[in-house]
Amino acid sequence: DIQMTQSPSSLSASVGDRVTITCRASQDVSKYVTWIRQRPGQAPKSLIYAASSLQTGVPARFSGRGSGTNFTLSISSLLPEDFATYYCHQYKIYPLTFGGGTKVEIK
Amino acid sequence: QVQLVQSGAELKKPGASVKVSCKASGYTFITHGFSWVRQAPGQGLEWMGWISTYNGNTNYAQKFQGRVTMTADTSTTTVYMELRSLRSDDTATYYCARAFGGIVTTTDYWGQGTLVTVSS
Repeated sequence: DIQMTQSPSSLSASVGDRVTITCRASQDVSKYVTWIRQRPGQAPKSLIYAASSLQTGVPARFSGRGSGTNFTLSISSLLPEDFATYYCHQYKIYPLTFGGGTKVEIK
Repeated sequence: QVQLVQSGAELKKPGASVKVSCKASGYTFITHGFSWVRQAPGQGLEWMGWISTYNGNTNYAQKFQGRVTMTADTSTTTVYMELRSLRSDDTATYYCARAFGGIVTTTDYWGQGTLVTVSS
């Protein structure tokens, strides 16, 4: 199975900050990475697919980059609703595999 | 708009089975398959498998092979996930997620989750 490793596992930031989360795949997954946000006590929400394409309705403060084995999710200016846990997952091959998550906390 | 509504919380004894439903609306049902993903308390996300709503084809994670069955009912636009021989470590919130993409699919819309508690 492809391993997805996220870093950092947690970070503290303030409203208005720019944050970047990294995801590394154990082998080449081309562009087949999705980023997900999960607010406490809520269901996941898919934000970005194909490494850099925004899902319908996702605001432009979210952006994704990368291909091959290295990927990033950036949030240009944190809003209160962005304090959550973020996951990456690959869909190059089955089984789909997820990163361990990055918790973005309020500083 | 796309809506995925899952069945309610379940409490099961070890060794029992559970069947979770996910009713889809707001789009043409057979154009998207579904993945099922679970999340143990305080833990990350774990993919269980995928089902095509077009022809019923499935792809299960090896970990769940032999214990899970995913089905789709086009007449009611509902997908189901049944997990058998439940153990305490199956206690988790189970999510359906609409799939899209090519040969291997990713997720776009998610259900609200169904908490399954396995306890004697």
